[in-house]
Amino acid sequence: DTGVSQDPRHKITKRGQNVTFRCDPISEHNRLYWYRQTLGQGPEFLTYFQNEAQLEKSRLLSDRFSAERPKGSFSTLEIQRTEQGDSAMYLCASSLLTSRPGTDTQYFGPGTRLTVL
Amino acid sequence: AQTVTQSQPEMSVQEAETVTLSCTYDTSESNYYLFWYKQPPSRQMILVIRQEAYKQQNATENRFSVNFQKAAKSFSLKISDSQLGDTAMYFCAFPFGSNFGNEKLTFGTGTRLTIIP
Repeated sequence: DTGVSQDPRHKITKRGQNVTFRCDPISEHNRLYWYRQTLGQGPEFLTYFQNEAQLEKSRLLSDRFSAERPKGSFSTLEIQRTEQGDSAMYLCASSLLTSRPGTDTQYFGPGTRLTVL
Repeated sequence: AQTVTQSQPEMSVQEAETVTLSCTYDTSESNYYLFWYKQPPSRQMILVIRQEAYKQQNATENRFSVNFQKAAKSFSLKISDSQLGDTAMYFCAFPFGSNFGNEKLTFGTGTRLTIIP
């Protein structure tokens, strides 16, 4: 059983450039989440998908951010016109929707560390 | 307010000792899981243990156990016979909004635990 994978693991870019990250969830999982984690802090929710539908976006997700999960499998997170404040670890997690609310268990990938110069 | 509070930013204990990490949360929801995640230095976020709120029995996973006090909204993690590999950042997490179908996790600020040889 493979876990959640993310690519790339590290990305260094110059301010103003666009970047795209990919997440491959655990194969049978129908929910996929994106979080952002800055140094010394806990992860903060960005957005999540159930199958291919994007069901919620945090107010942290500005217009420069867009996420997709076109076939309900892998997902991409794109940041346009990157800013230095976007430097963070971007974490992906997946879970299997259960019948009881509040009982999904999320499994995390290794993250993509973004550095904007 | 939907908050998760970890009041111990850092802790350190000698190898083989027992340590307890505290977490409190504020919610009006009824059925949910609570989670402890571990994030070793530069490593992946790993699920340590989860507790079902409607179960009175505290969850146990090998050396890890919880003390769940639902009325007090307290969810502490006890690590017995601590090992060097337990050195990590530990996050408590709660799925606010779960009764409305959203399982996004809100994390505490974390406790940095160091096991001293």
